Amino acid sequence: DVKVTQSSRYLVKRTGEKVFLECVQDMDHENMFWYRQDPGLGLRLIYFSYDVKMKEKGDIPEGYSVSREKKERFSLILESASTNQTSMYLCASRGGGTTPGYTFGSGTRLTVV
Amino acid sequence: DQQVKQNSPSLSVQEGRISILNCDYTNSMFDYFLWYKKYPAEGPTFLISISSIKDKNEDGRFTVFLNKSAKHLSLHIVPSQPGDSAVYFCAADSTASKLTFGTGTRLQVTL
Repeated sequence: DVKVTQSSRYLVKRTGEKVFLECVQDMDHENMFWYRQDPGLGLRLIYFSYDVKMKEKGDIPEGYSVSREKKERFSLILESASTNQTSMYLCASRGGGTTPGYTFGSGTRLTVV
Repeated sequence: DQQVKQNSPSLSVQEGRISILNCDYTNSMFDYFLWYKKYPAEGPTFLISISSIKDKNEDGRFTVFLNKSAKHLSLHIVPSQPGDSAVYFCAADSTASKLTFGTGTRLQVTL
């Protein structure tokens, strides 16, 4: 089974801090994604990557950046954390070709105070 | 612009009865549809999917129906069990290779 591992389950950070959320997958998947989940808003795509060093903006990229230096690792960076970035962050990966669907990590619950 | 909509934020069903979760989409380019289930503090897990060339797909207690002309899909769970209590997301796929998710429906199965 594909495993997608997010480094932290819970994080509490202060406003203005730089925050790194790490995600690693072990199945050599090309595609990786960062979503955030908020009540009533579902899953919203922040950034995604089709390959190493490639990145594409999703629907809500403002206030975020990403890094993909190695195929298995996709990092989400909050340049200066704000309280409206308090959320559940979900990383996912997907193989190439006709592979349907994603495999998700367990999520990181980030609270910005 | 919400391309995938789940208009019922919550649903309560008695154990043993049928649960029907609905999803509507607007983009006719979507050609593959999926349902994910999510428990609190966990990532979503894949449940069942359907290609646009089909109108029904069944897997045990779970059946997904697709009505392309109405741009509507539904997930049926029969019989519903307490362990089915979770948030269910429908998602749609196109050749863009990224999924578009709905807002989710919280299902509660009561004893």
